[in-house]
Amino acid sequence: EVQLVESGGGLVQPGGSLRLSCAASGFIFNTQSMNWVRQAPGKGLEWVSFISSTDSVIYYANSVKGRFTISRDRAKNSLYLQMNSLRVDDTAIYYCAREGSGTYYNVIDYWGQGTLVTVSS
Amino acid sequence: SYVLTQPPSVSVAPGQTAKITCGGNNIGSKSVHWCQQRPGQAPVLVVYDDSDRPSGIPERFSGSNSGNTATLTINRVEAGDEADYYCHVWDTTSDHPTWVFGGGTKLTVL
Repeated sequence: EVQLVESGGGLVQPGGSLRLSCAASGFIFNTQSMNWVRQAPGKGLEWVSFISSTDSVIYYANSVKGRFTISRDRAKNSLYLQMNSLRVDDTAIYYCAREGSGTYYNVIDYWGQGTLVTVSS
Repeated sequence: SYVLTQPPSVSVAPGQTAKITCGGNNIGSKSVHWCQQRPGQAPVLVVYDDSDRPSGIPERFSGSNSGNTATLTINRVEAGDEADYYCHVWDTTSDHPTWVFGGGTKLTVL
């Protein structure tokens, strides 16, 4: 069974930093592209970042470029999002989301339960 | 940047058919995916590549895509279908590829 479990969220002051983690299991993590998607309270889904299966291709939304860094640790089957210079409008639930393979290539087919990041003074 | 437009809300009585639209410039040339998000839960994929259903998703869910509009159709709506629905595409027309989500449609079962 595919499982994605996020952690690392919490309350942080504006200008601060947080590192989110996503522990993956139930599939071959090293062969899948991964994403972070966020959802502000009461709002819709907003894509944040993408990392390819080989880590050779990385993309960011313009709203986080230069402040957030996506990475993965293949030995730990974990995806990360380092968030620096946090702003109040970064407040959201952050979801780890897998892109599938084969029939599900370039399809976000599994989502984690999310971790809440609150940026406030 | 590419924009997807969804109606904020759709209401339907149990047993009836719900249609949720997703508008975008020449969206028919893209692969459109739909996810369902029940209150307080993570999104779940319900339709991918315009009209395919993942395993475990009821046949009542279907999709279509042509021209400037993609549509998610839910037949014989049940109370458990009440949720927010988001269309999304992988857009390669901007300076770099991005996932683009519609604003979401809240489906209310009357």
